Amino acid sequence: SQTIHQWPATLVQPVGSPLSLECTVEGTSNPNLYWYRQAAGRGLQLLFYSIGIDQISSEVPQNLSASRPQDRQFILSSKKLLLSDSGFYLCAWSGQGSRTDTQYFGPGTRLTVL
Amino acid sequence: GQQLNQSPQSMFIQEGEDVSMNCTSSSIFNTWLWYKQDPGEGPVLLIALYKAGELTSNGRLTAQFGITRKDSFLNISASIPSDVGIYFCAVPNSGGSNYKLTFGKGTLLTVNP
Repeated sequence: SQTIHQWPATLVQPVGSPLSLECTVEGTSNPNLYWYRQAAGRGLQLLFYSIGIDQISSEVPQNLSASRPQDRQFILSSKKLLLSDSGFYLCAWSGQGSRTDTQYFGPGTRLTVL
Repeated sequence: GQQLNQSPQSMFIQEGEDVSMNCTSSSIFNTWLWYKQDPGEGPVLLIALYKAGELTSNGRLTAQFGITRKDSFLNISASIPSDVGIYFCAVPNSGGSNYKLTFGKGTLLTVNP
């Protein structure tokens, strides 16, 4: 079966510091990968998605970037964090083939920027 | 872009009561998904619907794919405290890409024991 991991689970960082959040998927190959941000426990905002190792699309212009160094690894980064980067970051995957429309989420990373 | 109207935004109910929530859109979809997010965790897929008129159950949860393909409903029977959380509906983006989902804004459910 497939599993998705995110770390760290929680992170407190000062304004202006760098960021690296990691997401890995097990039990599948060539997944589509996604980064979402959730503010105030409500709506899900898609930040980046990747349909292949060299294909990353950005949905919202911002202070963040994403990379996919391996097939099942997705990283969210920032060079200098802003207060507004605080939130709950969720990674998700979907499979190749006919059911690419169903996404499965990781446990999330709670980021607090002070 | 496409939008989903999810209602109600929040619900406060007593344990044992039944719950109904829905999502509507002006667009037609071939898939409706329902997720639940427990506090502090990632959303978990509850039910996936792939056919208009389809009625699918998962324990005390029942979801229906509206016959017009523009809406979907989720019902929870005999609610219990662990039903607390945010419930999201979602549909695949139209316009060529199945890679992305559009989510409703969520229904926050509180169950009083």
